[in-house]
Amino acid sequence: GAVVSQHPSRVICKSGTSVKIECRSLDFQATTMFWYRQFPKKSLMLMATSNEGSKATYEQGVEKDKFLINHASLTLSTLTVTSAHPEDSSFYICSARVASGTIYNEQFFGPGTRLTVL
Amino acid sequence: QKEVEQNSGPLSVPEGAIASLNCTYSDRGSQSFFWYRQYSGKSPELIMSIYSNGDKEDGRFTAQLNKASQYVSLLIRDSQPSDSATYLCAVNPPRAAGNKLTFGGGTRVLVKP
Repeated sequence: GAVVSQHPSRVICKSGTSVKIECRSLDFQATTMFWYRQFPKKSLMLMATSNEGSKATYEQGVEKDKFLINHASLTLSTLTVTSAHPEDSSFYICSARVASGTIYNEQFFGPGTRLTVL
Repeated sequence: QKEVEQNSGPLSVPEGAIASLNCTYSDRGSQSFFWYRQYSGKSPELIMSIYSNGDKEDGRFTAQLNKASQYVSLLIRDSQPSDSATYLCAVNPPRAAGNKLTFGGGTRVLVKP
């Protein structure tokens, strides 16, 4: 399968700081990437769809000014959690959809970033 | 009705037995179906994708799709303790903007030695 990386894998920060998470597709081009968050023992929750060269599409209830998404190239999307608070502590996971050669919408997940806000 | 439904489990299976997981979906026009495995504290890993009615086999895994009945299942043969994980069913509904996937809540599988 295709490989997606995320950095950092774990981050601990103080309340009020901003945290940037990078998601990279390593061996394929991804016009579309997705950002999810997952609380312990809960289901994946889609936060937003990130499209290369255009604005992200946020799911209902997700604050776009809180969670800034930039998809600058076909292999990189970033999620910035601005002014993080303890309630933002969660497991953030990105996925990438293969850009071409398939109509089947396979998505490959990165390893995730565990954010802890003190 | 949830868009994608799975029994949350846990599904307890003896080592060497067959684990059978089921998933139903509500949007009849869905065309793409996926099974992901997620170990505790890790991200999901794609293990099977299926697009046509019938069975698709890959190693010890078999995915079965029945579009008329709107269900997709996953069989794990010769279950191993390393198969203990949560299995997520995902569907790509035709009207999903941006090719989003809709996930079920997952079925937790426990394989006991």
